Amino acid sequence: EAQVTQNPRYLITVTGKKLTVTCSQNMNHEYMSWYRQDPGLGLRQIYYSMNVEVTDKGDVPEGYKVSRKEKRNFPLILESPSPNQTSLYFCASRRGRSEQETQYFGPGTRLLVL
Amino acid sequence: QQQVKQSPQSLIVQKGGISIINCAYENTAFDYFPWYQQFPGKGPALLIAIRPDVSEKKEGRFTISFNKSAKQFSLHIMDSQPGDSATYFCAASVQGAQKLVFGQGTRLTINP
Repeated sequence: EAQVTQNPRYLITVTGKKLTVTCSQNMNHEYMSWYRQDPGLGLRQIYYSMNVEVTDKGDVPEGYKVSRKEKRNFPLILESPSPNQTSLYFCASRRGRSEQETQYFGPGTRLLVL
Repeated sequence: QQQVKQSPQSLIVQKGGISIINCAYENTAFDYFPWYQQFPGKGPALLIAIRPDVSEKKEGRFTISFNKSAKQFSLHIMDSQPGDSATYFCAASVQGAQKLVFGQGTRLTINP
């Protein structure tokens, strides 16, 4: 089954404790992206990657890091989480470079930073 | 600053009625306008999309109406069903920008 998977689905952590949210897709997609969803704000892009070793900032990159060492994986790293990073996070992928191609979203990771 | 403004935030419609969700934008460079549907505990999924060279696109009970001069577009759900209860997001993109800009979302509830 073609899908985007994220782990963990739920995470409670404390301020300053480094964490990684994994994202993997099995569709051989070139493009991957991370979004955060907050009430009243919709989804906002954090980082995206056009291909292996090619990443760039989205609208809200502060406090986040990403890497793309393999085509299928695009982990999101919070090196020193803060309470304002409490949110619902989605990884997404699409086949190629065009924004008009369908983006496929993962099931989400709900993060609480105490 | 929200580049795509969506309304209403929540909407309750009776089964069989028409659900209407509106979005407005400022950036005239936007050239692709998708709608995403999100069920609780799931990620958003593409529902229907339109490009600005057409004024309307219909897929089953779902229709996008697009008004380029007013910089507005809307989603109409005809014969709304309880299974349509979900959060709906409009979005927009500019060719080459490598991102979707989302509206705030509308929580739609269809009462049986």
